[in-house]
Amino acid sequence: AQKITQTQPGMFVQEKEAVTLDCTYDTSDPSYGLFWYKQPSSGEMIFLIYQGSYDQQNATEGRYSLNFQKARKSANLVISASQLGDSAMYFCAMREGPSQAGTALIFGKGTTLSVSS
Amino acid sequence: EPEVTQTPSHQVTQMGQEVILRCVPISNHLYFYWYRQILGQKVEFLVSFYNNEISEKSEIFDDQFSVERPDGSNFTLKIRSTKLEDSAMYFCASSESQTGANVLTFGAGSRLTVL
Repeated sequence: AQKITQTQPGMFVQEKEAVTLDCTYDTSDPSYGLFWYKQPSSGEMIFLIYQGSYDQQNATEGRYSLNFQKARKSANLVISASQLGDSAMYFCAMREGPSQAGTALIFGKGTTLSVSS
Repeated sequence: EPEVTQTPSHQVTQMGQEVILRCVPISNHLYFYWYRQILGQKVEFLVSFYNNEISEKSEIFDDQFSVERPDGSNFTLKIRSTKLEDSAMYFCASSESQTGANVLTFGAGSRLTVL
């Protein structure tokens, strides 16, 4: 079974509009972390935002926010006021288990976001 | 800003040849990882490394693969006898600590092309 599901292969948005990239996850572990990474055409993986399973509030980082719905097991990324430079592939990832590093991040298949002017 | 550096950026090799991909993790990081991404596809976990030993590996990481931290700064991935399907972008990553956030910092990747 897929641990991380990103159902939108591609999304299109106009500059300055908001966009939501979907991510659902599957785990039976009560302790986990959810991450979003951005991969521009240059190929590097850039960390955007993190949400812990016990965090009471949705994570925010500048124009990025994470709509965390624990009961639905969803962790959608919301990008407000899209910019041309936001055009990239976006990956949702999950780490299972308590606070122990070294546990692998498992990635979804990604969503390609295209921002037009 | 500290970064993870990877060399080479691109390597072309013949099937059956050995390849070594090199990574210099961020200096105060303790946990190291290799991931691969076949063109246009998902990023797949290969192996994680802590305290000079493998802490976790995926089913992809078979006997053809090995990792090593030979000198306290470099972290290498060796593929003993490359196959066509090993063609991919290989990402090294490192992380600092045992906090819940455990953010992985990725290198720019090494593109491997097997002919």
